[in-house]
Amino acid sequence: QKEVEQNSGPLSVPEGAIASLNCTYSDRGSQSFFWYRQYSGKSPELIMFIYSNGDKEDGRFTAQLNKASQYVSLLIRDSQPSDSATYLCAANTGGFKTIFGAGTRLFVKA
Amino acid sequence: DTGVSQDPRHKITKRGQNVTFRCDPISEHNRLYWYRQTLGQGPEFLTYFQNEAQLEKSRLLSDRFSAERPKGSFSTLEIQRTEQGDSAMYLCASSLLGGTANSPLHFGNGTRLTVT
Repeated sequence: QKEVEQNSGPLSVPEGAIASLNCTYSDRGSQSFFWYRQYSGKSPELIMFIYSNGDKEDGRFTAQLNKASQYVSLLIRDSQPSDSATYLCAANTGGFKTIFGAGTRLFVKA
Repeated sequence: DTGVSQDPRHKITKRGQNVTFRCDPISEHNRLYWYRQTLGQGPEFLTYFQNEAQLEKSRLLSDRFSAERPKGSFSTLEIQRTEQGDSAMYLCASSLLGGTANSPLHFGNGTRLTVT
């Protein structure tokens, strides 16, 4: 079992819709969770991080964490074609190592 | 530009040659990481430095790989006797220990290695 799992997609949504990206993790000791956006051929770019159960909002992005279910999600409201990218979920157990999922490809259709 | 800087951006080499990559982290960051990413996969952890000390190496890092961070500033990653399977994007990241718990990683632009 992979430590951080994501649906590889692609996830296709129309422009203006809400995109919902999901992630599960296996290590119950994980304390911090991160979402990165990665455009093709580019390096990962941090979008959001979340440490506590519940929701965290930043502009059009909302991260949700449920530690009991070992589940993290990212909602993107009013999706734009420029949001088309691969979204990487990552988890940290409190030590030095951050583990990444394989990413979900998102396509936003104009 | 105060971000993480990596050099070169691209490297094409023949199998069996040695290559060296450089990473300059964000200046106040004391943690430095090397990750490797292949197509369709997320970044895979290779090694980690806290200041100048290399504290962890992944099992992915064979004896042909060596990393250094002299004086706790920039870091180099060397691959000896390259193999075609080494072709990947090599990502350097840095973070701050002592700031927000589990500070996020900040990535450089990466070095794309192609071994022919």
